[in-house]
Amino acid sequence: SAVISQKPSRDICQRGTSLTIQCQVDSQVTMMFWYRQQPGQSLTLIATANQGSEATYESGFVIDKFPISRPNLTFSTLTVSNMSPEDSSIYLCSVKDNEQFFGPGTRLTVL
Amino acid sequence: LAKTTQPISMDSYEGQEVNITCSHNNIATNDYITWYQQFPSQGPRFIIQGYKTKVTNEVASLFIPADRKSSTLSLPRVSLSDTAVYYCLVGPRGTYKYIFGTGTRLKVLA
Repeated sequence: SAVISQKPSRDICQRGTSLTIQCQVDSQVTMMFWYRQQPGQSLTLIATANQGSEATYESGFVIDKFPISRPNLTFSTLTVSNMSPEDSSIYLCSVKDNEQFFGPGTRLTVL
Repeated sequence: LAKTTQPISMDSYEGQEVNITCSHNNIATNDYITWYQQFPSQGPRFIIQGYKTKVTNEVASLFIPADRKSSTLSLPRVSLSDTAVYYCLVGPRGTYKYIFGTGTRLKVLA
């Protein structure tokens, strides 16, 4: 099974700033995914990050707001840009091996 | 991808068997049914996956009737540590594009 770590585990940010979340996997994986989980809500897929190509975004999410990098097969970053309080959520990294594995999440609070 | 419907919440007592039912009326022929468990402040964790009839592993059993329009996750003899949110997901095997529903918030009481 894949082991996923995320940094930071939590952060409190000011409105208008940006935060970059890192995701590290202990094995090489083709597909990495970023999800958002708003307080008390279920998970929503933001985008799929494949190494060597642009990320594919789901409806309602755009690259300018959530730029993603995927420099190699074990690492990805998600940036939450120009943050507002509505961006306060848990952001989860996920990878597909035989099963789908999720990271511990990054709890973001925007003031 | 098929949409799922689950009870919002359930309460149970330690030692009891818990059955959580999921409805997926629009399930496609090549769809599998997968259940995840999520503890507070953690990402979801895979529990079990099945296509038809019954699947059992060391954690749970999954019962799927012949028409596959619903499924039941069975947790034997739950403990306090089974308190979590349980998500039922439906999609082709190997899919990543799961649509997460509301999940079922299970609370196990002493």
